[in-house]
Amino acid sequence: DAGITQSPRHKVTETGTPVTLRCHQTENHRYMYWYRQDPGHGLRLIHYSYGVKDTDKGEVSDGYSVSRSKTEDFLLTLESATSSQTSVYFCAISESTGVHEQYFGPGTRLTVT
Amino acid sequence: AQSVTQPDIHITVSEGASLELRCNYSYGATPYLFWYVQSPGQGLQLLLKYFSGDTLVQGIKGFEAEFKRSQSSFNLRKPSVHWSDAAEYFCAVASGGGNKLTFGTGTQLKVEL
Repeated sequence: DAGITQSPRHKVTETGTPVTLRCHQTENHRYMYWYRQDPGHGLRLIHYSYGVKDTDKGEVSDGYSVSRSKTEDFLLTLESATSSQTSVYFCAISESTGVHEQYFGPGTRLTVT
Repeated sequence: AQSVTQPDIHITVSEGASLELRCNYSYGATPYLFWYVQSPGQGLQLLLKYFSGDTLVQGIKGFEAEFKRSQSSFNLRKPSVHWSDAAEYFCAVASGGGNKLTFGTGTQLKVEL
């Protein structure tokens, strides 16, 4: 299994509070991704990174920001959490060049009350 | 923009029966296609991938998929289903140089003993 960890694994927070989710990899892969999974929607890309300090928006980026200061860490921040951001969040990684499969972390279940 | 359709939300099969999960994609160029499986409470695991070449690809756990360009399909098959195959299955297509995946909404497989 690819070395990907996510923290926390579960979190309950209140509307309007900031939340940061962490993804950590030990594979030295260049690409890292954040997805959210919701019933009836599958997985949707929030943001991704193609290198340290290099990030780009995905399909559902509104309300989210990301940062990558080290190859191994990719942070997802909800500046002011809303109930619509209640979801399961998955981090994924993939190798540098060409087309490669993505490897997924175990997920973080976030509930915004 | 690319898209993936999985027309069956739920499928129930008896253990030992054959299985086919449908996936149709929309993408202008040569697609890179994937099937992932997700067990309850887990992350996604890659079953198989198609990049080029032989249109029948073999994956893990006895699964195979066939790429049919004329039908824009990439259906997943297994000759004999085991109870442990009960899970949710996602088809995905890669774009953007291969570093962005678009997922279908998933098919939930139930296996009757």
